[in-house]
Amino acid sequence: GAGVSQSPSNKVTEKGKDVELRCDPISGHTALYWYRQSLGQGLEFLIYFQGNSAPDKSGLPSDRFSAERTGGSVSTLTIQRTQQEDSAVYLCASSLRTGTGRNEQFFGPGTRLTVL
Amino acid sequence: AQSVTQLGSHVSVSEGALVLLRCNYSSSVPPYLFWYVQYPNQGLQLLLKYTSAATLVKGINGFEAEFKKSETSFHLTKPSAHMSDAAEYFCAVTSGAGSYQLTFGKGTKLSVIP
Repeated sequence: GAGVSQSPSNKVTEKGKDVELRCDPISGHTALYWYRQSLGQGLEFLIYFQGNSAPDKSGLPSDRFSAERTGGSVSTLTIQRTQQEDSAVYLCASSLRTGTGRNEQFFGPGTRLTVL
Repeated sequence: AQSVTQLGSHVSVSEGALVLLRCNYSSSVPPYLFWYVQYPNQGLQLLLKYTSAATLVKGINGFEAEFKKSETSFHLTKPSAHMSDAAEYFCAVTSGAGSYQLTFGKGTKLSVIP
């Protein structure tokens, strides 16, 4: 079946604008994760969803970042009033479920965000 | 708290030579450990994982890793490097049952010299 898909693949925006990044997980995967990959910080965990709920939002870097998931499927990561330090690759992953630690997380190709 | 240290941000090997990428972890509970590979402009692909079964884990593309609790290590090896192995490799850890997030090392970029 299809893997994790993300859109857009590239996004260039101006400082101060809002952006929405989309993730479509593997069908049947109840857990969904967002990570950020940047040169200075490496791979950072942002947030995860079990179904439509996000029990832990502590990885979000500021209150400009928010995420939602609807219907237990598609998720959107929104960054408001973008700053240059938000420039990074945003990776989405999904797994069968969370809470066991052993389930493989399947990653999408990422969205490369550039804030000018 | 958990963390991962990958020694060497860049490793170069000759084609046909042994590949050894080092990973050390710290975790307050028995960990689950993963190696992922990332090719340019692509997402992460799982190479192998350790989830408390056999300590020697075999993965895809001829890679394997050995979990050594006494050394808190999970080094990745491949007997003979191919040009197609050139990529960035990430070691990651979760802290067992109840955990969800992967904590990644900084990554090691592998170059293969013809």
